Amino acid sequence: GAVVSQHPSWVICKSGTSVKIECRSLDFQATTMFWYRQFPKQSLMLMATSNEGSKATYEQGVEKDKFLINHASLTLSTLTVTSAHPEDSSFYICSAIRSVSRDTEAFFGQGTRLTVV
Amino acid sequence: GENVEQHPSTLSVQEGDSAVIKCTYSDSASNYFPWYKQELGKGPQLIIDIRSNVGEKKDQRIAVTLNKTAKHFSLHITETQPEDSAVYFCAASIDRDDKIIFGKGTRLHILP
Repeated sequence: GAVVSQHPSWVICKSGTSVKIECRSLDFQATTMFWYRQFPKQSLMLMATSNEGSKATYEQGVEKDKFLINHASLTLSTLTVTSAHPEDSSFYICSAIRSVSRDTEAFFGQGTRLTVV
Repeated sequence: GENVEQHPSTLSVQEGDSAVIKCTYSDSASNYFPWYKQELGKGPQLIIDIRSNVGEKKDQRIAVTLNKTAKHFSLHITETQPEDSAVYFCAASIDRDDKIIFGKGTRLHILP
């Protein structure tokens, strides 16, 4: 199946610093990617829709100035957590949409565990 | 917006028995219903999906049913095995290329 890779898989940062998480579709082009956040033992909560070449669409309650999303190419979307605080510690997961002919499917990355100390 | 409810939150099943997880959704415009398996520290993996023009779909030990009128859909795992232990999420979407809204998850334990 198609591969979506996130980097890093885990990161520890100091409070007040910014962290960038990359989501790459390795063997297909994705005009649309999604970013999710998952707290321990909870569900995946959609944060935003990332569209190549345009601004991201954020879900209600998600601060766009805190979670900066850039989808600069058809294979890469980045999520930057700015001025991170301990409450931003979470598991961040991206998904990328692969469309081949009339077949469309979402593929998920392996996730990035962010710990803010 | 779409709201997906899932139950039970935890399910323990004897190895070899069947497991059933049920979900409901709120948005009648949803047409695509995937199910994901998530193991600890990993991203979700698609295990089976169903579209609204189909009432049932089966893939070996896994089957999904959909009642679009009642806005219910279910996952059935037969002949459960230890490796089936994981968290399972149901989800709903307008279409395969649209945002996916997840249920809260079911932690499935397969007992030896």
